[in-house]
Formats: sequence, C-alpha cells, structure tokens
Amino acid sequence: GQQLNQSPQSMFIQEGEDVSMNCTSSSIFNTWLWYKQDPGEGPVLLIALYKAGELTSNGRLTAQFGITRKDSFLNISASIPSDVGIYFCAGLASGGGADGLTFGKGTHLIIQP
Amino acid sequence: DSGVTQTPKHLITATGQRVTLRCSPRSGDLSVYWYQQSLDQGLQFLIQYYNGEERAKGNILERFSAQQFPDLHSELNLSSLELGDSALYFCASRQTGTPNTGELFFGEGSRLTVL
Repeated sequence: GQQLNQSPQSMFIQEGEDVSMNCTSSSIFNTWLWYKQDPGEGPVLLIALYKAGELTSNGRLTAQFGITRKDSFLNISASIPSDVGIYFCAGLASGGGADGLTFGKGTHLIIQP
Repeated sequence: DSGVTQTPKHLITATGQRVTLRCSPRSGDLSVYWYQQSLDQGLQFLIQYYNGEERAKGNILERFSAQQFPDLHSELNLSSLELGDSALYFCASRQTGTPNTGELFFGEGSRLTVL
C-alpha cells in the first residue's frame, strides 16, 4: 500500500523558533493535508492543499504541495507553547482504502520554555 | 468539539478478554472510520463503514471486528486481547454528499490498556 515518510520523527525546540517538517511518498497524491493532534485529543485538520505547487498559509502555519505531487512540507513560524503536539501529514489519492487517505507516522513537536 | 463522540475514554482489561468501543459520528455523516494509534506506528487505518456497510479494510486483525448500525453509530469489537493491542483507538467521520476533501473529524479516542 501507499506509505508516507514523515520527518523528523520528533523536534525539541525553543519557544520563538521556526519549525519545518516534511512528508514524502513514492506515490502521487491529489491532495495533501496536515493535521495536528493536541495531547489527549483527536487530530484536527490544519491545512489542505489541492494543487501541485500550491502554497497555503493559516496564521503562522505555511504548507506547500510539492510540484512532483509526491511531497509536502509544513512550516511554523515563531513557535509558541500551544504549538506542542503531534503533526500528521496525510495524502489523498484516487482509490485505496479509507477513501484513499493515508497518514504519515507523525512529528512530535516539543517546545522548551 | 468535533461532534464525534467515543466511549469509553479509558479502558483497562486483561489479556484474553474482549472489549467493545463505541462511536457516534457527527450528525448527518454516513462514513465512519476506525484508526489505531500506537507510539511507533502512528495512525493505522483499521476499517471504514458507509451507511451501514463495510467500505474499506486496512490493517485490521482477524480478532477485531466492527459494525455500523442503522442509527449510524459504530462499534469496534476487540477480542482475545494481547498486550500489543494497547493503544489509542480513534473513530472519525466525514461530511457526506460533498467531494472528498480528505477532512476527517476525529473523536477524542478510547485509550485501551491490556495488562
């Protein structure tokens, strides 16, 4: 089946730093999504990207849909304590289980005061 | 609040036992998805139901089964439990009648601990 390689697996940063994480795949996706899971909660959608090359922002978050349609990255600027959590990338393709949605293994973001 | 309700929030049981996890999707959502989250495997898709019928299967063990009832709530049954089944189990639902944008609405999860 399709697999997403998400990196880094975890990040330990200082408050105020910028964060960058990415996701790659050997398969092409029609849509890339980024979810965030707060401690004790379920994942929540942050950003969705629908076109190759698309760059989308949501506040301090910026995500891009790679030109090859096989990768995406997420940047967080000026991190704050509430950014702590697990960030998941997800790719959506035609066909496949779960309506074609595949998740990466997540990036754990830990912010040191 | 995503509108997806899962019960119980926490469950502790012994190996060999059987448990049932329950999920109520958002009002009007016909699709229900079950995911397993463990530390080293991320979010693993287990199974999807649409309007009462199984639609897709992922990495679901034969010891696990699920169903979706006429009122659209879903149950995930885990039997002959093993230590390795300890995990967070999430239910998610998707808005029906619109193109698939990939947006799922997740419940808060049921944390299963097998001792």
